[in-house]
Formats: sequence, C-alpha cells, structure tokens
Amino acid sequence: DADVTQTPRNRITKTGKRIMLECSQTKGHDRMYWYRQDPGLGLRLIYYSFDVKDINKGEISDGYSVSRQAQAKFSLSLESAIPNQTALYFCATHSGLSYNEQFFGPGTRLTVL
Amino acid sequence: GIQVEQSPPDLILQEGANSTLRCNFSDSVNNLQWFHQNPWGQLINLFYIPSGTKQNGRLSATTVATERYSLLYISSSQTTDSGVYFCAVDSNYQLIWGAGTKLIIKP
Repeated sequence: DADVTQTPRNRITKTGKRIMLECSQTKGHDRMYWYRQDPGLGLRLIYYSFDVKDINKGEISDGYSVSRQAQAKFSLSLESAIPNQTALYFCATHSGLSYNEQFFGPGTRLTVL
Repeated sequence: GIQVEQSPPDLILQEGANSTLRCNFSDSVNNLQWFHQNPWGQLINLFYIPSGTKQNGRLSATTVATERYSLLYISSSQTTDSGVYFCAVDSNYQLIWGAGTKLIIKP
C-alpha cells in the first residue's frame, strides 16, 4: 500500500482567494490523482499525472490547476475559489503491484464562503 | 462513457445481519475496486477484484466480468461497518465511481 498524506485536512476560505492543497506519497510511485467528492456522490477525477512531466486533465478540471513538483508530490490549486468548489478533495496513487489499484489519502474538506 | 450503478442506495440493518450490495457496470473494465467510506470521510480499500471471488474476514466480493456486475457480501454486521460502500471501475486510466450504498447498522 502507498502512504498518502494530504495537507491541510480542513480549510475554510473566501470567494476569490487562491488556495493550494498538497499531497505527498512515501513510495515514489509514478501515478498520482486528484479527485473531488460532492455530498451524496462518488468521486470525480480532476487531474492525473503519470510522471513529473506528464499531467492530464480529468473530467472536471475547469477552475483547477496542478503541479507535480517531484515524484512524491502533487499539488492542486484553486486560482480563484468559488462556493461551488466546496467539497471533499482526495489525492490518490496506485499500489506497488498494479497501476490499476488506487489508494487514497485522508482527504481535505474545503469550504468556500 | 461507462456507467456504474449501485444498489440498494440505502440499507438499514440490525447488528448481526448479513447483506449483499450490488454494482453493475455498462462496459468491460480492467479493474474494479470496492471501498468503504467511514463516517469521518476516510476511504478504505476493501477489494481489488476485476474478476473472481475474494474473501477478507467477514467480507467477500465476487465480480462476474462477462455479465458486468460485482457483489459485496457483509456477514455478521457490526456497527463499525456503517458508512458508504462504493464500487469504482477503471476506464481509460481513471476510476469511475458509483453513487454508493449507505449502510447503517443499528446496535
């Protein structure tokens, strides 16, 4: 299993503010992902990265940007936060045995007022 | 794109009961995972099961890939089993999630 950490765990911000969510994994796996979860729904993919120089948009990338600073670090930014970006955000990477099995961090609960 | 449907959406049981949760998907997949999201929001991996049957303690899962469904069995339910159970399938390098089954186990 991959150990995935996310900071901060909770954040309240105001409309228009720039905010960054950070993610780190201990195993140095190639692929990392950012997902968003809205209440009562499953997760949706925002961005994914197969390597430091390989970053791809997911289903709901509008309003978000990412940075893969190193193999182990993948950050998600909201350039100008809006209230409908209030959600639970998860970072993920894959297992050491398979690219297809994903493991998730503890999540960041973001509230935009 | 691929569709993932879970049933039932809600399930309320007494402690000690057994349950079966279902996940249907609309196309062939490379991967299927079951997760438990606890009341604090944490996602816990239960099974990575693209096909066949696996068991882990009181939980087991079966995926019939040719018929495009998977089942999660929970036996002798405990209150700590409460939460939302998700299945997710791999499609073009991303996981597509169902809406989940919310399980409440009453003491």
